[in-house]
Amino acid sequence: DQQVKQNSPSLSVQEGRISILNCDYTNSMFDYFLWYKKYPAEGPTFLISISSIKDKNEDGRFTVFLNKSAKHLSLHIVPSQPGDSAVYFCAASGGSNYKLTFGKGTLLTVNP
Amino acid sequence: ETGVTQSPTHLIKTRGQQVTLRCSSQSGHNTVSWYQQALGQGPQFIFQYYREEENGRGNFPPRFSGLQFPNYSSELNVNALELDDSALYLCASSRRDRKNYGYTFGSGTRLTVV
Repeated sequence: DQQVKQNSPSLSVQEGRISILNCDYTNSMFDYFLWYKKYPAEGPTFLISISSIKDKNEDGRFTVFLNKSAKHLSLHIVPSQPGDSAVYFCAASGGSNYKLTFGKGTLLTVNP
Repeated sequence: ETGVTQSPTHLIKTRGQQVTLRCSSQSGHNTVSWYQQALGQGPQFIFQYYREEENGRGNFPPRFSGLQFPNYSSELNVNALELDDSALYLCASSRRDRKNYGYTFGSGTRLTVV
């Protein structure tokens, strides 16, 4: 039972355009959501997070949107840069449980 | 500030053998979590250690065990290796009192079971 789903295995965008990565979840107990970026041969790197009490969090070029009623979140990258090319993981956690539940990831390719 | 370091980076073992993976947590972090990432999958939570005790466990059998030491470093032990244990094993450290869940991950150990 996959509680965090990233339905797009890959996404390709042009440099300078917007990248939108999507994530759906099923567990209503999740109250904290995170995005991680992973380059080959490296561990995941924390990118941005959002609490369930908010619907938007922004950090520079990265914005995460949360729609609790739809159990959906998205990561927007504007403008996209070639260095953003990586696998992006959506992760969720709930209550006092520090365990992170990850999606399968989306490979983003930003073409120059 | 040193990050999370894992050793070894790659390892090949035979089915039925035992393996120990090691992790040094980031300076100032007191919690260590281990994740297994199979090919094409996201990382899956194995367990977490805080104050040298297991503090939460995912859906992994008892042959997966761990330790946390007073300096917050950690080991993951896997007994009776199976072919399906082939994966990237990630260690992540964090501050227990920081609710941003900003785990710092190591680069992982690639385990191949043949």
